[in-house]
Amino acid sequence: RKEVEQDPGPFNVPEGATVAFNCTYSNSASQSFFWYRQDCRKEPKLLMSVYSSGNEDGRFTAQLNRASQYISLLIRDSKLSDSATYHCVVNVMDSSYKLIFGSGTRLLVRP
Amino acid sequence: DTGVSQNPRHKITKRGQNVTFRCDPISEHNRLYWYRQTLGQGPEFLTYFQNEAQLEKSRLLSDRFSAERPKGSFSTLEIQRTEQGDSAMYLCASSQPQGRDQETQYFGPGTRLLVL
Repeated sequence: RKEVEQDPGPFNVPEGATVAFNCTYSNSASQSFFWYRQDCRKEPKLLMSVYSSGNEDGRFTAQLNRASQYISLLIRDSKLSDSATYHCVVNVMDSSYKLIFGSGTRLLVRP
Repeated sequence: DTGVSQNPRHKITKRGQNVTFRCDPISEHNRLYWYRQTLGQGPEFLTYFQNEAQLEKSRLLSDRFSAERPKGSFSTLEIQRTEQGDSAMYLCASSQPQGRDQETQYFGPGTRLLVL
């Protein structure tokens, strides 16, 4: 079983749609949580950190449920420029602070 | 540009050859990471440096792989006797301890390796 599991998609949505991505993680010692965005053939870039209280950044809302080990990302009013792969990422805060990535969920926003 | 840089951006080599990649982290960052990403997967951790000390290596890092960060600044990743299975994007990331705040790792553009 992978440490971080995501639906690979693709999610094909029209502009203006609301889309939700979900993710589960297996290590209960996970301490920090993130969503990274990765454009085709580019490096991953931090989209947002995820906090237990939930957090919002413009059209993006992230939620964390530690009891269920579940993370979500909601994108409202989708733009063409949102088309990318979205990785759910956790950090176990062991000796290395390494990030553990999910395989990513691909989003395609069509005109 | 003060972000993470990596060189070369692309490398094509023949099986059995040695290759070396370089990463220059953001200047004030003392943590440096190497990851590998294959098609359709997320990046996978390879190794971690804090300053010049290599503190953790993944089991993915076979004995053909070696990484260094001699002066605590730039890092190199060498692959000896490359195999076709080594073909991947090699990503470098750096970060700076943030205390109790969540620490952000910033990624370089990657080196795309193709082993023929």
